[in-house]
Amino acid sequence: KQEVTQIPAALSVPEGENLVLNCSFTDSAIYNLQWFRQDPGKGLTSLLLIQSSQREQTSGRLNASLDKSSGRSTLYIAASQPGDSATYLCAVRLWNNQGGKLIFGQGTELSVKP
Amino acid sequence: GAVVSQHPSWVICKSGTSVKIECRSLDFQATTMFWYRQFPKQSLMLMATSNEGSKATYEQGVEKDKFLINHASLTLSTLTVTSAHPEDSSFYICSARAPRTANYGYTFGSGTRLTVV
Repeated sequence: KQEVTQIPAALSVPEGENLVLNCSFTDSAIYNLQWFRQDPGKGLTSLLLIQSSQREQTSGRLNASLDKSSGRSTLYIAASQPGDSATYLCAVRLWNNQGGKLIFGQGTELSVKP
Repeated sequence: GAVVSQHPSWVICKSGTSVKIECRSLDFQATTMFWYRQFPKQSLMLMATSNEGSKATYEQGVEKDKFLINHASLTLSTLTVTSAHPEDSSFYICSARAPRTANYGYTFGSGTRLTVV
């Protein structure tokens, strides 16, 4: 059974710092991995999607890497800003013959202090 | 592209009544949609997979008679919480699998905050 773990559960940093959020999964047979952002009381916004055959994806100040063999992904945020404060969720997608479901980690709650 | 619209964004209902939540894919067809439930400070829990034109597939422990799912068209799935009780109060979010042009990523609605009093 696929399990997804995110470390740390919460993180508080001063503005301007570079930071890394970690995501690990137990079964390397994944279709893809997606990072989301969730603001309090809101839905999820997709940040980056990495296909199983890819190693990394970049969007602006965000960079996500994927090491399928070791069951790990990291989300790197450069030059953090107070507006980056939110909960960050990673999710692995199972193959369609397993239902194509997303399995979520518990999230990392990020607070960027001005 | 690949936008999912969810309504209502919040609802308060009396115990024993039913509440319907709608999830629409606005600019693509979604043969499959997913319904999640989220408790405060917790991650998303998949409740069921909604398949257009067929019965939904429920996750273990989710009461199918309590959480009725209808996916009658390629752009609309609904979740009805029947005979709601205070313990059903939660944040419900729907999701759809985007088309190939969006790399098959999952896109989410904005969520519905249900409060049963």
